[in-house]
Amino acid sequence: QKEVEQNSGPLSVPEGAIASLNCTYSDRGSQSFFWYRQYSGKSPELIMFIYSNGDKEDGRFTAQLNKASQYVSLLIRDSQPSDSATYLCAVNKRNNDMRFGAGTRLTVKP
Amino acid sequence: DAGVIQSPRHEVTEMGQEVTLRCKPISGHDYLFWYRQTMMRGLELLIYFNNNVPIDDSGMPEDRFSAKMPNASFSTLKIQPSEPRDSAVYFCASSLQGLNTEAFFGQGTRLTVV
Repeated sequence: QKEVEQNSGPLSVPEGAIASLNCTYSDRGSQSFFWYRQYSGKSPELIMFIYSNGDKEDGRFTAQLNKASQYVSLLIRDSQPSDSATYLCAVNKRNNDMRFGAGTRLTVKP
Repeated sequence: DAGVIQSPRHEVTEMGQEVTLRCKPISGHDYLFWYRQTMMRGLELLIYFNNNVPIDDSGMPEDRFSAKMPNASFSTLKIQPSEPRDSAVYFCASSLQGLNTEAFFGQGTRLTVV
């Protein structure tokens, strides 16, 4: 079992729709969780992080965490073509040991 | 701060040659990570350092790979001898101490072994 699993996609949504990205992790002791966005040929950049159960909102982005189910998700509201990228889920297991999922490729069609 | 700086940006080498990738982390960051990214395997953690000390190198694929951090502002990842299956993008990242601190990535080195 991989430490961090994501649906590789591709996920395609129309412009203005909600994109839902999911991630599960295997280590119950994991402390904090991150969503990164990576454009083709570029390096990953942080969108947001979450460490408490529940929802965390930042603009059009909402991260959701359920530690009991070992599940993290990212919702993107009012999706824009510029949101087209690969989204990486990252888990800080402990001691800053940061592990990434393989990423979900999102395409937002105008 | 200029961010995490990696060199070279691109490297093409012949099988069997030694390859050295370099990284300068963000000043003041306690942690430095080396990742490898391929289409097949995604972003894999190879090794990470805390205050220049290697903490976990279990991701290093085999003995051909080695990493050093002689001081707080410089790290190298060496592959000797290189093989075509080592072709990938290698990222260096750094972060501050703490569970909720993000990792900042360099621009990556695209390695091609022919």
